[in-house]
Amino acid sequence: ETGVTQTPRHLVMGMTNKKSLKCEQHLGHNAMYWYKQSAKKPLELMFVYNFKEQTENNSVPSRFSPECPNSSHLFLHLHTLQPEDSALYLCASREEGGADSPLHFGNGTRLTVT
Amino acid sequence: GDSVTQMEGPVTLSEEAFLTINCTYTATGYPSLFWYVQYPGEGLQLLLKATKADDKGSNKGFEATYRKETTSFHLEKGSVQVSDSAVYFCALSDPSLRASKIIFGSGTRLSIRP
Repeated sequence: ETGVTQTPRHLVMGMTNKKSLKCEQHLGHNAMYWYKQSAKKPLELMFVYNFKEQTENNSVPSRFSPECPNSSHLFLHLHTLQPEDSALYLCASREEGGADSPLHFGNGTRLTVT
Repeated sequence: GDSVTQMEGPVTLSEEAFLTINCTYTATGYPSLFWYVQYPGEGLQLLLKATKADDKGSNKGFEATYRKETTSFHLEKGSVQVSDSAVYFCALSDPSLRASKIIFGSGTRLSIRP
């Protein structure tokens, strides 16, 4: 496999469930990102990890908990979510160190909270 | 602060029509500029980029020129196809900001009629 892979592609969960989203990148990049994409809203940056260290938390509620065990894997742990958290969650990776380095995105996890 | 403004959608065109999607930016430094495309059911993927003034990025028949004097990076294609139907995002990466900061526009949905 190449690129950025996200699993699962679709997830339906109740408000009391706990689930995790997984992202894996095979590009050798040193930074990984979580974005939230909701209908009719701009792309929202949630978290950034650089060399496994969290460098950005964009005021995300604590019911979203990221984990980056190494520079190739990124998780987003979910618990006691709200219906308004239903969205497409996109993972991306990038080689930090130059402003001209683009993001590489996975195909996302479509999350529905019931 | 830095920002990206792109034209509101949706944009609907007939096949073989000329396409322009406007994008303007504000930045404190000298940013790199990007266009990303998101096809239905997929994540964003890099379409083209330009890293300095007067650079022209091009890919798949799309072009955009980095215009510092007008702070613009408009996307153009001479003859669109049905397969170009997607959402297009303009973005910037400013080296004067924290390295993780990439600013996205709100996206423009493009639909091409056969």
